[in-house]
Amino acid sequence: EPEVTQTPSHQVTQMGQEVILRCVPISNHLYFYWYRQILGQKVEFLVSFYNNEISEKSEIFDDQFSVERPDGSNFTLKIRSTKLEDSAMYFCASRTTSDTGELFFGEGSRLTVL
Amino acid sequence: GNSVTQMEGPVTLSEEAFLTINCTYTATGYPSLFWYVQYPGEGLQLLLKATKADDKGSNKGFEATYRKETTSFHLEKGSVQVSDSAVYFCALILQTGANNLFFGTGTRLTVIP
Repeated sequence: EPEVTQTPSHQVTQMGQEVILRCVPISNHLYFYWYRQILGQKVEFLVSFYNNEISEKSEIFDDQFSVERPDGSNFTLKIRSTKLEDSAMYFCASRTTSDTGELFFGEGSRLTVL
Repeated sequence: GNSVTQMEGPVTLSEEAFLTINCTYTATGYPSLFWYVQYPGEGLQLLLKATKADDKGSNKGFEATYRKETTSFHLEKGSVQVSDSAVYFCALILQTGANNLFFGTGTRLTVIP
């Protein structure tokens, strides 16, 4: 069964370092998303991406964040200069153009900023 | 705006008890409604969904009915098991465009033997 895959599963980094989280969405999907979940809190939308551009972003997604689809398969989230409060689980998701709108999530990348 | 209001947790039940987790929504358009589940140490998995009014989504003994008149999508299960212990998220997505999924705050369910 097709699935969304994310790497790394866990990354530990020092404050101020750049981090890139990688995702391989399901191959025939056209919409891509990043969400994050700070420990014990709700799942928060960061950004959606369609047709090679950002279609929507939340107020969390400031200038320190960027997304890219460098080739036909990967979808990356970059955090330019990490802060302690960026520590969270980051989920990638993708979906087709169907009206049901179901999102398929990866298992998440846990980021720990020290 | 678009939002989901979900019953606060945590919820602790004995095995075989009846479960209800309330969820109501506000949407600017016509949404699809979902329940996602997060088992300990894992990612988000779709549990069930409904795409139009009066639809009933069901999976693994869980059910939820899309009630447009009350803007609700309550999750129910007649007899919970220890293995149902998880965090349950109600969510909606508008059915047009690339809009994102709006999540509720999540309800942690613990089932004790």
